[in-house]
Formats: sequence, structure tokens, C-alpha cells
Amino acid sequence: GENVEQHPSTLSVQEGDSAVIKCTYSDSASNYFPWYKQELGKRPQLIIDIRSNVGEKKDQRIAVTLNKTAKHFSLHITETQPEDSAVYFCAAIQAGTALIFGKGTTLSVSS
Amino acid sequence: NAGVTQTPKFQVLKTGQSMTLQCAQDMNHNSMYWYRQDPGMGLRLIYYSASEGTTDKGEVPNGYNVSRLNKREFSLRLESAAPSQTSVYFCASKISDTQYFGPGTRLTVL
Repeated sequence: GENVEQHPSTLSVQEGDSAVIKCTYSDSASNYFPWYKQELGKRPQLIIDIRSNVGEKKDQRIAVTLNKTAKHFSLHITETQPEDSAVYFCAAIQAGTALIFGKGTTLSVSS
Repeated sequence: NAGVTQTPKFQVLKTGQSMTLQCAQDMNHNSMYWYRQDPGMGLRLIYYSASEGTTDKGEVPNGYNVSRLNKREFSLRLESAAPSQTSVYFCASKISDTQYFGPGTRLTVL
């Protein structure tokens, strides 16, 4: 089955800096890679996703890149703000199955 | 639209007790999922139901059973709760590949 590794487990940045979180996956058949943000005590919320036929996707200050050959994908947050502080999860899925999640990255943005 | 709802929000059980966690979605999604979340472990898949009438095991199914009652509802049952099942449980439903999560149930087993 699919296995998703996520690094780093914790990340501390200064407000305005960029943050990068990286994930690798094991199953070359996986074709959809979402990122979720979870604030303390809340449910995970989808923030951006990418499909295997695309190399990069941007939405304002966040972007995701995918390298299918190397089986890794990354989340990039630019101009970080205190409200970006949360736990971020990457995930991977094959069509018709279930999302498998990484263990999460706790991002802390200090002002 | 309420989206994905879960009951109860909090529950405390004694070892050996049983209970059922309820999940419902009003988005007409075919697929539904149960995850558990433990500190440092991310979200681990317990069971899922790709469509009404089908269920499949995920990564950590031991100690749990599920029922897909109809298209809207997917319940998770703990027959004999153990302290290792102390966790936050999230239900989710899916359209295309996008999963939407419920608010979670915080379960403590003493």
C-alpha cells in the first residue's frame, strides 16, 4: 500500500519568511496529492491540491510542486503570517481508494 | 448544507465498554471514511466505504467495526474499548478526490 513520509515534523519561521514542507510517496500509481491545514482543535481543511499531470500549482501565497519521477511533492508558503501557524498534512491517493496522510508538520510563525 | 456531521463531540468510556460513533453527510457523496488522529502519528485510516453497501479495512482496523447504513450515514463501533483507542476520530466524505472532514469526536478510554 501507499506510504507517505513528511519532513520536517516542526518548522519555525519569522513572519515574512518562506516555509517549505516536503513529502515523499511510495506508490507510483498515486495520482492526487492534497495538502490540509489543521488549526488547534479544528478539523483538517484542504488548502491546495495537485494532480499527477501537473508539475506546479499556485494559489496566492501558497504553491505546491510535484516531481513524479522522484515521487516527491512540496508545499511552499511565501510571506508567512502568524495566522499560517498550524499543522500541515500532505496526502496521496490512488483513484478509487482512500487518502493516506503524512505525519504532519507543525509550523510556527513568530512576529 | 451541514456538510459532514459527527456525534458525539466528546466521550469518556471505561475499558471494556462499547459505543458507536455516528457520522452523516448531506453532500450526496458516495465515499466515506473513518480516521483516527494521535499526536505525532498524523491521520490513520481505520475503515472506508467506497459506496453504499461496501466497506474495506484501512491501516488500523483492529478493534473496530463499521456499518454503512445508507448513502448518508457511516458509523464506527468499538465493541470492547481499550485505552489504546483513546484518540480523536474524524469522519470524512469524498467527491472526486477531495475529502471533506467532520468536526471530530474526542474519545477517552479509562
